[in-house]
Amino acid sequence: AQSVTQLGSHVSVSEGALVLLRCNYSSSVPPYLFWYVQYPNQGLQLLLKYTSAATLVKGINGFEAEFKKSETSFHLTKPSAHMSDAAEYFCAVSEGTGNQFYFGTGTSLTVIP
Amino acid sequence: DAGVIQSPRHEVTEMGQEVTLRCKPISGHNSLFWYRQTMMRGLELLIYFNNNVPIDDSGMPEDRFSAKMPNASFSTLKIQPSEPRDSAVYFCASSPSTDTQYFGPGTRLTVL
Repeated sequence: AQSVTQLGSHVSVSEGALVLLRCNYSSSVPPYLFWYVQYPNQGLQLLLKYTSAATLVKGINGFEAEFKKSETSFHLTKPSAHMSDAAEYFCAVSEGTGNQFYFGTGTSLTVIP
Repeated sequence: DAGVIQSPRHEVTEMGQEVTLRCKPISGHNSLFWYRQTMMRGLELLIYFNNNVPIDDSGMPEDRFSAKMPNASFSTLKIQPSEPRDSAVYFCASSPSTDTQYFGPGTRLTVL
């Protein structure tokens, strides 16, 4: 069975500070891992994905995530937070092509000016 | 490409009425997913289709919910009869024969 745990339903950072959103997964097969962002009143937008290539994945808007098999983690980071980063972030895992996703419960990011 | 298109964007109805939500996936995508999002339960997968065939509908809450995909370019999610607890944002997502899902803007349903 696959599942995703996002630690911290709410994270607040100051503008310019490091953003770290945590995601741990469980999977019986090599996983595909994703981070999505949801801005208010919008759908989910893909930030980045890991599909068994490089373990450090770079995404849009300066975000990146590192796949650590030994820790079963796929944490999302950004060196310097912008006000525009305030949104809900979802981590997801799947077995790959055509398969369903298992989403975490989401982390709401607040950026303090 | 226009992305995944959902209609209506907002729906307000009264308890007991039938509600039909519509989705047009991205052309060429062969998988389609329906999700429901609420504050209490987060993002829930309701059903998904591969090549227009329902693969897993175990997330459909009860018999009042039904989904169809008559062709590769159209899907519907129907609730009959609707209840206040069905109030949520319903998302449709589509995926090509790869791994990524692309989400529509959602339909915000309010059942009074």
